[in-house]
Amino acid sequence: DAGVTQSPTHLIKTRGQHVTLRCSPISGHKSVSWYQQVLGQGPQFIFQYYEKEERGRGNFPDRFSARQFPNYSSELNVNALLLGDSALYLCASSFSLLSNYGYTFGSGTRLTVV
Amino acid sequence: LAKTTQPISMDSYEGQEVNITCSHNNIATNDYITWYQQFPSQGPRFIIQGYKTKVTNEVASLFIPADRKSSTLSLPRVSLSDTAVYYCLGHSTLTFGKGTMLLVSP
Repeated sequence: DAGVTQSPTHLIKTRGQHVTLRCSPISGHKSVSWYQQVLGQGPQFIFQYYEKEERGRGNFPDRFSARQFPNYSSELNVNALLLGDSALYLCASSFSLLSNYGYTFGSGTRLTVV
Repeated sequence: LAKTTQPISMDSYEGQEVNITCSHNNIATNDYITWYQQFPSQGPRFIIQGYKTKVTNEVASLFIPADRKSSTLSLPRVSLSDTAVYYCLGHSTLTFGKGTMLLVSP
């Protein structure tokens, strides 16, 4: 079984540009969450989706948005990129909102803004 | 808001037992306590989850006292490959702290 897959693995963007990150959850998982992790810090929660509805939002500006598709895959969009948006973006999936096995994370997308 | 507090770092040697304690004074009464392990440039990996008393799986044990204000992750006989950052959090909070950097030496 494939784990959580994220694409792309790395990308470089210029300040002011827009970026779309993609996540495919484990088959059968209906919840997807997005995190931002900067070097030396723990992952910071951005969004959670369950059954295509937003179930939680972290303390991030409106430049960040996300959605979940009928096949439970998800996209994270970031507009007007800033240098400070450079980070590892992680996607995590679980079968439900309360799972006995926590969340399964992907390996992330490394975003560099120059 | 449930906030967790862990030691920033811990050192150990191969073969020793390591106990990492996490303080979570305000955890919700119905929330589970979850621990993750993270290697550099990888996503966190689920280790263990519990609600109260003791939970054990093939890699770790989790001890949670009756007041649930703290929890202790126990790693038996660590190896060099256990060098990583360890995080505790309330499952539904989705909020990671800074974690504990465990360094295992030969």
